[in-house]
Amino acid sequence: DVKVTQSSRYLVKRTGEKVFLECVQDMDHENMFWYRQDPGLGLRLIYFSYDVKMKEKGDIPEGYSVSREKKERFSLILESASTNQTSMYLCASSRTGTETQYFGPGTRLLVL
Amino acid sequence: SQQGEEDPQALSIQEGENATMNCSYKTSINNLQWYRQNSGRGLVHLILIRSNEREKHSGRLRVTLDTSKKSSSLLITASRAADTASYFCARSGNTPLVFGKGTRLSVIA
Repeated sequence: DVKVTQSSRYLVKRTGEKVFLECVQDMDHENMFWYRQDPGLGLRLIYFSYDVKMKEKGDIPEGYSVSREKKERFSLILESASTNQTSMYLCASSRTGTETQYFGPGTRLLVL
Repeated sequence: SQQGEEDPQALSIQEGENATMNCSYKTSINNLQWYRQNSGRGLVHLILIRSNEREKHSGRLRVTLDTSKKSSSLLITASRAADTASYFCARSGNTPLVFGKGTRLSVIA
């Protein structure tokens, strides 16, 4: 059974903190994605990666960076968290960039 | 990027009724996918329809695609309270999936 896990379901951080969100998939997928989801705005793509050590900016990369050192792991980094980064963060993986994506359960981040 | 747009934004029906959700998009696609999200959870893939297909079924789900009108619809037949969720369409072209804003479906027992 396919599985995408995210390191935390809920996270509370202070403004200015460095935040790491980790995502692990066990399907040997090439592609991994980070989205944020906000009410009324749907899912917005932050970054994606189509191979180890490769990354591409999505629609809203500002304030975020990513790391993909191993195929199964894709990390999202908030270098200096701000209150406007309070959101639900969803990680997904897929075999190709255009086929079915498998999502993790999400991390609800609150930045105070 | 241009999101797909679902219609309606919210839908409330009685258990046993059918639910129809629509999705429109603006650019050409390779395929169109529908996902479901229960409150506070990740998205779950429901069905994928390719650009050369017109209709696809999966259990109580029926998806149609009209590429000339750049639209798709998701029909859930004989709805159940457990179908209460948000439903998203996602179009696949030359870029990663682009998700719409979703339709919130409430099925009342």
